[in-house]
Amino acid sequence: AQSVTQLDSQVPVFEEAPVELRCNYSSSVSVYLFWYVQYPNQGLQLLLKYLSGSTLVKGINGFEAEFNKSQTSFHLRKPSVHISDTAEYFCAVSLLTEKLVFGKGTKLTVNP
Amino acid sequence: GAVVSQHPSRVICKSGTSVKIECRSLDFQATTMFWYRQFPKQSLMLMATSNEGSKATYEQGVEKDKFLINHASLTLSTLTVTSAHPEDSSFYICSARFRSSYEQYFGPGTRLTVT
Repeated sequence: AQSVTQLDSQVPVFEEAPVELRCNYSSSVSVYLFWYVQYPNQGLQLLLKYLSGSTLVKGINGFEAEFNKSQTSFHLRKPSVHISDTAEYFCAVSLLTEKLVFGKGTKLTVNP
Repeated sequence: GAVVSQHPSRVICKSGTSVKIECRSLDFQATTMFWYRQFPKQSLMLMATSNEGSKATYEQGVEKDKFLINHASLTLSTLTVTSAHPEDSSFYICSARFRSSYEQYFGPGTRLTVT
């Protein structure tokens, strides 16, 4: 079975600062990795995904993530955050057509 | 992109009544739909997976007689919470996927409050 650990439940940062949201996964087989963002009282929006190929994945809104197989990590990064990036971020894994397994989420708060 | 809608966005019902939540894929045929439940400040918990024309597959610990799921067409799935109780109050989110795709498209969610 797969599992996902998001190491930080809350991350406060100042506007225009860089941010990294950490995600580690556990699986006995190769998995596919996703980052989703959830704004208050809304559904989830896909930020980016890793299926295969280049380990550096670029997504929407200036986010990127790096897949590290040896460390079983898929950390999300943004070089300069905006107030509008304040949201909940979820890391998830799946076996493609199988169900998604989500981490517990990281609340990113960007302060002026 | 693929759009999924949910209706209603918010619903308040009295304890003991049933409430139905609809999930629609607006611009694609969803061969598989998923229903999630999210408690405040927590992650999404998969409740069940439904394939069009088949019975839903429920996750362990989810009462299938309480949470009735119907996926009668390729664009509509419904979740009925029967004999709702205050502990059923939660945020319910659906997602949909079409046959050849790995990606799930999420609806905006439905906030259920049982009084």
